[in-house]
Amino acid sequence: EIVLTQSPDTLSLSPGERATLSCRASQSVSSSYLAWYQQKPGQAPRLLIYAASSGAAGIADRFSGSGSGTDFTLTISRLEPEDFAVYYCQLYDDSSWTFGQGTKVEIK
Amino acid sequence: QVHLQGSGPRLVTPSETLSLTCAVSGYSISSGFYWGWIRQPPGKGLEWIGVGSFYDNGRTYQNPSLKSRVTISLDRSKNQYSLHLNSVTAADTAVYYCTRLNWHHARGNYYFDYWGQGALVTVSS
Repeated sequence: EIVLTQSPDTLSLSPGERATLSCRASQSVSSSYLAWYQQKPGQAPRLLIYAASSGAAGIADRFSGSGSGTDFTLTISRLEPEDFAVYYCQLYDDSSWTFGQGTKVEIK
Repeated sequence: QVHLQGSGPRLVTPSETLSLTCAVSGYSISSGFYWGWIRQPPGKGLEWIGVGSFYDNGRTYQNPSLKSRVTISLDRSKNQYSLHLNSVTAADTAVYYCTRLNWHHARGNYYFDYWGQGALVTVSS
């Protein structure tokens, strides 16, 4: 079983700053298998990025994904007030799906 | 636009069966994609439960940690699908989301693109 570890657990930033979130897999995976989601309080998660770097429909271009092998990154180029939320990475592995534990991006 | 609406009892007695239904609008579930469930215990992260698809000859896939307790069934006539989780305990208390899984090996798709609003199900006597 491949384990996903996100870091940091919490990221304290101000609007306008750049956010860099990490997702590390316990073994090398295909980039196609990695997705990112945003979840705001009381809401369902929303797909942001799939295949590690492809933006989902309707997602602002300040969100970008990168990485390969075991290390993947979600970058928010300039934080808007509505971007403060929890972010999860998700991995496909042998007909199963797992999620990282999440990174909370909070207002500093 | 695809819309998923979950429904079912919000309180379940320990050792009983949790049953939820997801009604889909804007897309026929018999036309493709996978349809399933993800849950989130209060204040915690996301856990995949399972998916099923008419496209895949009705085959279902479950989280190995839950497999023995999970049944997912699809109803093309009502365009809805259901989750049954038996022998529940307090650890099964969570918000349950119905989701659409975009899973296509040839296209490199392995993500959940539509989610219902979620339903908090509490297991308690």
